Amino acid sequence: DIVLTQSPALAVSLGQRATISCKTNQNVDYYGNSYMHWYQQKPGQQPKLLIYLASNLASGIPARFSGRGSGTDFTLTIDPVEADDTATYYCQQSRNLPDTFGAGTKLELK
Amino acid sequence: QVTLKESGPGMLQPSKTLSLTCSFSGFSLSTSGMVVSWIRQPSGKSLEWLAAIDWDGDKYYNPSLKSRLTVSKNTSNTQVFLKITSVDIADTATYYCARRPDYSAHFDYWGQGVMVTVSS
Repeated sequence: DIVLTQSPALAVSLGQRATISCKTNQNVDYYGNSYMHWYQQKPGQQPKLLIYLASNLASGIPARFSGRGSGTDFTLTIDPVEADDTATYYCQQSRNLPDTFGAGTKLELK
Repeated sequence: QVTLKESGPGMLQPSKTLSLTCSFSGFSLSTSGMVVSWIRQPSGKSLEWLAAIDWDGDKYYNPSLKSRLTVSKNTSNTQVFLKITSVDIADTATYYCARRPDYSAHFDYWGQGVMVTVSS
């Protein structure tokens, strides 16, 4: 299985930039696409798609969210951070079955 | 609009079989490439992909649980089912179904989840 590694927590101030990283132990690129996706999950809610294929903004997601990366290193950036962004963020790879998720990064406000 | 909703027993005893239903609307599972997956999340932990079924009826399982899982769909392509045999406490989790618009794609719509507790 492909293992995804995320830092457990990140604290940022309102209006600042948050950068969340996700590293994989295998390349998740294939034929020009990076099969890495990002989700936001708030307590008691289902995950919500933010970014797909590493850098594509999902429908209805504000442009404050962006993703980049390729191969084994990926980042999700939120700039500027708003109070409503406090949540846990998960990366997920779909390059190989089984799909796997990172352990999640909890974003908190300073 | 696309919606998915999971239903299940809420609580069951160890060694029993867990049966879950995902009822959805706003899309057709008969559309070429469409996939519905099951994903679970123990409280306070990350997400684990369990199984999927595609538009053509092909089934996919997480190898770590494959011997205990059975995924299926109804003939009208409006519901997907998951059975997990011989449950134990480690199967206590919130179970989600999610739509995948194509093979190897992201999960673009998720159900609200159904909490399942395994306890004697």
